[in-house]
Amino acid sequence: EAQVTQNPRYLITVTGKKLTVTCSQNMNHEYMSWYRQDPGLGLRQIYYSMNVEVTDKGDVPEGYKVSRKEKRNFPLILESPSPNQTSLYFCASSPATLNYEQYFGPGTRLTVT
Amino acid sequence: AQSVTQPDIHITVSEGASLELRCNYSYGATPYLFWYVQSPGQGLQLLLKYFSGDTLVQGIKGFEAEFKRSQSSFNLRKPSVHWSDAAEYFCAVGTPNSGGYQKVTFGTGTKLQVIP
Repeated sequence: EAQVTQNPRYLITVTGKKLTVTCSQNMNHEYMSWYRQDPGLGLRQIYYSMNVEVTDKGDVPEGYKVSRKEKRNFPLILESPSPNQTSLYFCASSPATLNYEQYFGPGTRLTVT
Repeated sequence: AQSVTQPDIHITVSEGASLELRCNYSYGATPYLFWYVQSPGQGLQLLLKYFSGDTLVQGIKGFEAEFKRSQSSFNLRKPSVHWSDAAEYFCAVGTPNSGGYQKVTFGTGTKLQVIP
C-alpha cells in the first residue's frame, strides 16, 4: 500500500530535550515536505526536500532541522524544543514535478512542556 | 507571493442540504488549485484538483469545485451533504518556485459540522 508513515504519532517532551520525528514514504517520490498545523493558521510549511541531499526552508523553519540521506526518509529534528513548537506535524510527499498533489502522513501531535 | 483565503472558519449544514465552501486566492497567474479534507485525527486527503481545462472539476465523495478566474475563486460544492462529510476542508494553491518545484500554500481551513 502506497503510504507516508510518521513516528511517533504522539509525543510529550520537555523544553530543550532533542527529539526526532521520522517520516518515510514508499512511493519513490522525490519531493517531501514537513508542515505544522495550528488552530486558525492552517498548515504552514517548515522545510522541504527536492531530492536526496537537497533541502530548503519553508515558511517557518526556525527551530527545526531536516536531513534527506535516503529518498524514502525525511526526518524532522528539533534540537532544543520549546513550548511554541507544540503543534500537529504532518509529513507529505509528492512526485517532484509541478501539478501533483501531496500525499500526507497521519500526523504527529507534539507537546512541549 | 501567493495567498489563500477561506473566509468561513466554521459552517453548519443539515444532512441532505447543499454545501458550498469558499476559497479565494491571490496570485499573478493561474495557480494549481487543490481541495483537501481532513477527518478528525487523520491526515489530509485530496478531494480534487484543477490545473487547466474545464473549470468545473469533479472529485471524490461527490464533491466538485469551480474555478472562476475573474473572481480568483475555487469554491467547493456538494449537492447533498452526508453526516460522514463532517471534517475540516483546506483549499491550497501551488505555484512554481525559483527552482521549478511546486510551492504549496494552504488556507486556514473551514470546519464543517453536519446536523441531523
